[in-house]
Amino acid sequence: NAGVTQTPKFRVLKTGQSMTLLCAQDMNHEYMYWYRQDPGMGLRLIHYSVGEGTTAKGEVPDGYNVSRLKKQNFLLGLESAAPSQTSVYFCGVLPTQGANTGELFFGEGSRLTVL
Amino acid sequence: DQQVKQNSPSLSVQEGRISILNCDYTNSMFDYFLWYKKYPAEGPTFLISISSIKDKNEDGRFTVFLNKSAKHLSLHIVPSQPGDSAVYFCAASAYGNKLVFGAGTILRVKS
Repeated sequence: NAGVTQTPKFRVLKTGQSMTLLCAQDMNHEYMYWYRQDPGMGLRLIHYSVGEGTTAKGEVPDGYNVSRLKKQNFLLGLESAAPSQTSVYFCGVLPTQGANTGELFFGEGSRLTVL
Repeated sequence: DQQVKQNSPSLSVQEGRISILNCDYTNSMFDYFLWYKKYPAEGPTFLISISSIKDKNEDGRFTVFLNKSAKHLSLHIVPSQPGDSAVYFCAASAYGNKLVFGAGTILRVKS
């Protein structure tokens, strides 16, 4: 997972609080993704970005916002956290040479608990 | 609507034997299939992949088989080792677009 850093790694929130997860890459790649992993459901795509200044919705975007102001960073925001957003969040980066395959490099994950 | 399905939540295998993990998909537009391995408290790491124009790809102890007519792929690990114990995710993409993941299979290799 070298090259993809997620912060924070753990966070506990109360319902209604807001927070931002940061994904930073040092590989200068264009495509970045935010997934959430829940038991029995695998990884589901929340939002993704195909370049600086661009974002798009994935499979489960509701309750989340994203921004890609700098190419190296992809931020995932929760404006008003809900218990249903308790999950482990993974950021993925698509290397340029893998653009035709979807082979992602992932960060170590951010475990979020909403009480 | 799950486009990628891993119907076995867990699999237990004796060390040295073969592990076979299965995956089914429904979207005929998928043209690339991948297997990821995940240890606890770590991110998923890429293991092996196969293009839809092939039916087999090998990398050391790992072989992936693709049956397009059945929309089925499988991962064979031979021989299985205790260090292979992890969660294995099957994933698919269409034209290099977003990866769609299965629910994962927990593999336990007993020594």
